[in-house]
Amino acid sequence: EPEVTQTPSHQVTQMGQEVILRCVPISNHLYFYWYRQILGQKVEFLVSFYNNEISEKSEIFDDQFSVERPDGSNFTLKIRSTKLEDSAMYFCASSRQGLNTGELFFGEGSRLTVL
Amino acid sequence: SQQGEEDPQALSIQEGENATMNCSYKTSINNLQWYRQNSGRGLVHLILIRSNEREKHSGRLRVTLDTSKKSSSLLITASRAADTASYFCATALGGGFKTIFGAGTRLFVKA
Repeated sequence: EPEVTQTPSHQVTQMGQEVILRCVPISNHLYFYWYRQILGQKVEFLVSFYNNEISEKSEIFDDQFSVERPDGSNFTLKIRSTKLEDSAMYFCASSRQGLNTGELFFGEGSRLTVL
Repeated sequence: SQQGEEDPQALSIQEGENATMNCSYKTSINNLQWYRQNSGRGLVHLILIRSNEREKHSGRLRVTLDTSKKSSSLLITASRAADTASYFCATALGGGFKTIFGAGTRLFVKA
């Protein structure tokens, strides 16, 4: 069964460093998303991406964050100059249809720890 | 309350009992979805109910939607220890590019 894969599963970084989280969405999906979940808290929407551009982003997704689909298969989230409060699980998701009709398929997440 | 708020926050039941979780939301929706998350894992889609539907079944799951009250419920019948997880409702807003999740209900099923 096709699945969304994310790497790395866990990354530890020093405050101020840049991190790139990678995702391979399901191959025939057209819509891509990043969410984050701080330990014990709710799943927060960061950004959605369709047709090679950002469709929607939350107030969390400021200039520190960027997304890219560099090669038609990978979907990356870059966090520049990480802060302690960026420590969280980051989930990638994809869907074949828009959210008005389709379900999200999630990866297993990348745990980011900022020291 | 925020869009997509579940209650109770936590629920502990015995295996074989039914578990009911509720979700309330604030804005108009096209559909409402329920997801499950095992501890430390990704979310798994359970069921989607459209705004023109009132009830939907999938195996041991039953979802209802009341758009007049802006609420939904998820019923898990004959619960099993393996149902222990967090359950989230989610609503798609606007043009459909943003799905908002509630805070979730943590279900613990005792064997």
